This record gives sequence, structure tokens and C-alpha cells, in this order.
Amino acid sequence: SQTIHQWPATLVQPVGSPLSLECTVEGTSNPNLYWYRQAAGRGLQLLFYSVGIGQISSEVPQNLSASRPQDRQFILSSKKLLLSDSGFYLCAWSVMGEGVAFFGQGTRLTVV
Amino acid sequence: QKEVEQDPGPLSVPEGAIVSLNCTYSNSAFQYFMWYRQYSRKGPELLMYTYSSGNKEDGRFTAQVDKSSKYISLFIRDSQPSDSATYLCAMSYNNAGNMLTFGGGTRLMVKP
Repeated sequence: SQTIHQWPATLVQPVGSPLSLECTVEGTSNPNLYWYRQAAGRGLQLLFYSVGIGQISSEVPQNLSASRPQDRQFILSSKKLLLSDSGFYLCAWSVMGEGVAFFGQGTRLTVV
Repeated sequence: QKEVEQDPGPLSVPEGAIVSLNCTYSNSAFQYFMWYRQYSRKGPELLMYTYSSGNKEDGRFTAQVDKSSKYISLFIRDSQPSDSATYLCAMSYNNAGNMLTFGGGTRLMVKP
């Protein structure tokens, strides 16, 4: 069966520090991969999606970037965090051509 | 107007009640319709999904899609305190990117 791993679960970082969140999927090949952000009490905002290695599409211009160095690995990064980057970050995957996505357990990021 | 509208609640019901959760949408091109359950500080968990239109039942849960009215529903029978969570509807196209568009979520509280 397929599983998705996302870490760390919680993170507190100072303003101006770098960020790297990692997500890996097991049990499937060539998945679509996504990064979402969820602000407190609000819905999910799509940040990035990828349909293959090295192929990244950005939905929202911001202080973040994403990379997909391997088929089942998706990384969310920032060179310098802002206070506004605080939030709940979720990685998700779907089968190519199917519109159903499965989520990881999320990373709660607090920028102080 | 948002692409997907969902009443944020909170919706408070007594244990054993039938719960009805709803979303409306504006884009007739959506093909996949999903319901996620999200407990506090956790990632969304896929409950049910429907491709195109019709009804789907899984235990105490029933999902309905009415594409002519652009309206989807999730019914929970014999609600339990463990059903207390935020319920998110989501929709997507049948294409390579499969990006999901979410409603803002409805917070449900089932009181013993």
C-alpha cells in the first residue's frame, strides 16, 4: 500500500533562517506531488505541484520554492523565512490522471 | 465568488443525529468530488470520493453529487463524538495536474 511521510511534525524557526521540509511517498511510481499551506481556521492553499522529476509549477508567488530531486521526494524550501510563512504545511500525492489526493500528517511551522 | 463554497459552521449536533454537510461550486468542469476529515493538528484524511456524479455509501457515510445544481453533500448517520472534526470538500479536474480546489471546511461537533 501507498504511504506518505512528511517531516518534521513541528518546527520553530527564527525570521531570516532557511527552511527545508521533506516529503516522500512509498508504494507508487511517478505520482503527482503537492505542497499546500493551511492558515489557522482556513482552507488549503496550493503552493506547488509537480508532475515529474524536476518539473515544478508554482501557484502562488512567495518566499518559498520547491524541488523534486527524485521521483517520490518533494522538498519545500526557503532561503530566508518571514513571519508570514508561519502555518501548517501539507504534502500530498495523487496518481497521474486521477483527481484524488492523499495527504501527509503535516508540518506546523512557527516563525518567530 | 469562490470556486467552492462551504459553510464554516460550527455545526453542533447530539450523538446519534444525522449530519448533513454541503458544498456548492461554480466550475462545471470538476470531475472528482472528495470529502476529507481533518482532526485538529493533523493532515486531512480522505473519507470518500465520487467520480462524475451520483451517490456513494460507505458505512455510516453517504456522499452525493448533483452536477446539475453544482452541489455536493456528505451525510453521516448515527453520528459519534469521534466524528467531531473539520470536514473539507474538494474538487478536481481529470487532467495531468489534478490540482484540488478546497472548500473552507465545516467544523462539526458531536456532543455525547
